[in-house]
Amino acid sequence: DTGVSQNPRHKITKRGQNVTFRCDPISEHNRLYWYRQTLGQGPEFLTYFQNEAQLEKSRLLSDRFSAERPKGSFSTLEIQRTEQGDSAMYLCASSSLEGQEKLFFGSGTQLSVL
Amino acid sequence: AQKITQTQPGMFVQEKEAVTLDCTYDTSDQSYGLFWYKQPSSGEMIFLIYQGSYDEQNATEGRYSLNFQKARKSANLVISASQLGDSAMYFCAMRGPPGGGNKLTFGTGTQLKVEL
Repeated sequence: DTGVSQNPRHKITKRGQNVTFRCDPISEHNRLYWYRQTLGQGPEFLTYFQNEAQLEKSRLLSDRFSAERPKGSFSTLEIQRTEQGDSAMYLCASSSLEGQEKLFFGSGTQLSVL
Repeated sequence: AQKITQTQPGMFVQEKEAVTLDCTYDTSDQSYGLFWYKQPSSGEMIFLIYQGSYDEQNATEGRYSLNFQKARKSANLVISASQLGDSAMYFCAMRGPPGGGNKLTFGTGTQLKVEL
């Protein structure tokens, strides 16, 4: 039983560049979430999918951010024209529709924008 | 809007002792869920325990128990018999009512250090 997988683990980029992160959820999970965590803070919700449909986006998700889950399996989060304020840990989580609906998190992608 | 407050930025506990991590919440929903997650230095968020708003019994999972006081809107985590491996960041989180997508609102966390 594999957990949630995120790639890459670390990404260093220059301001203005585009970056893309990938998340592979637990295979039978319908829901997939993206969170952002900055130093000293708890994770903040960005967006979530149920299967391939993106059902909610936070106000934190500016126009430079786009997320996709084309076949209802893996998801990508792209940030265009990165800014230094985008530096954070980007966490992906998945859950099923059953039971407590607890979220299973990946280890995150640490983004540093120079 | 939902809000989680964790007022202890850092806590120290001696190995084998019990420790309580505080969490208070604010919501106007009648149905909600409360979670505790552990985040070691590796970054992964590890689920510890869950309490539903209608659950009458306090949740327990091994050495973890949740002291749920609904009227006071508190959901404190109790870790018994602390181990060195318990040293980590601990986050309290809340889920809204069903139909809200199950997204979680997190507190700012408590850094726990277990000492010999």
